[in-house]
Amino acid sequence: NAGVTQTPKFRVLKTGQSMTLLCAQDMNHEYMYWYRQDPGMGLRLIHYSVGEGTTAKGEVPDGYNVSRLKKQNFLLGLESAAPSQTSVYFCASSRGTGGFEQYFGPGTRLTVT
Amino acid sequence: DAKTTQPTSMDCAEGRAANLPCNHSTISGNEYVYWYRQIHSQGPQYIIHGLKNNETNEMASLIITEDRKSSTLILPHATLRDTAVYYCIAGGVYGGATNKLIFGTGTLLAVQP
Repeated sequence: NAGVTQTPKFRVLKTGQSMTLLCAQDMNHEYMYWYRQDPGMGLRLIHYSVGEGTTAKGEVPDGYNVSRLKKQNFLLGLESAAPSQTSVYFCASSRGTGGFEQYFGPGTRLTVT
Repeated sequence: DAKTTQPTSMDCAEGRAANLPCNHSTISGNEYVYWYRQIHSQGPQYIIHGLKNNETNEMASLIITEDRKSSTLILPHATLRDTAVYYCIAGGVYGGATNKLIFGTGTLLAVQP
């Protein structure tokens, strides 16, 4: 099992450009999450999904959109990137009922200039 | 979700037990206590969780006070590889599984040789 994978690992964007971050998991997990982590801070939840076709807002959803068209994939989109979105983005997944552990991917380091 | 308070940093000698405290005085009855750790910019790693009773697994022990207002994570024999930021999180459950986790800034545990 690869676990949780994220694509790409690094990306540099110019202000106003758009991009999509891909998260994939091969554990058949129901729940998936997107977090961001800024220097010296803990992780903040952006959006999450409790099942295929569902999404919900987390703590800091503004400027991001998500989609969960397939159970194994969770996409995070930035329509018009801003320097404030420079961060490390982590994806995670967990089982449905009885799943207390979130499994995290290795992260995507995004810089917006 | 309940807010948690942790010391910013702690030191521990290699081979000794590391005791990491956490206050969560506003935790509600159905919220669990979770511990995760993050080793140098990697994705966070689940350690342990509990509701009321003390818990132990192959990584650590979790001691929760009777009033559930605080808890302690114990690493019985700390090694250099345990140097990491440790996050204590009080979070809810949705559909029988972990839902949103609110990460704080955690405790930086430095294990000294």
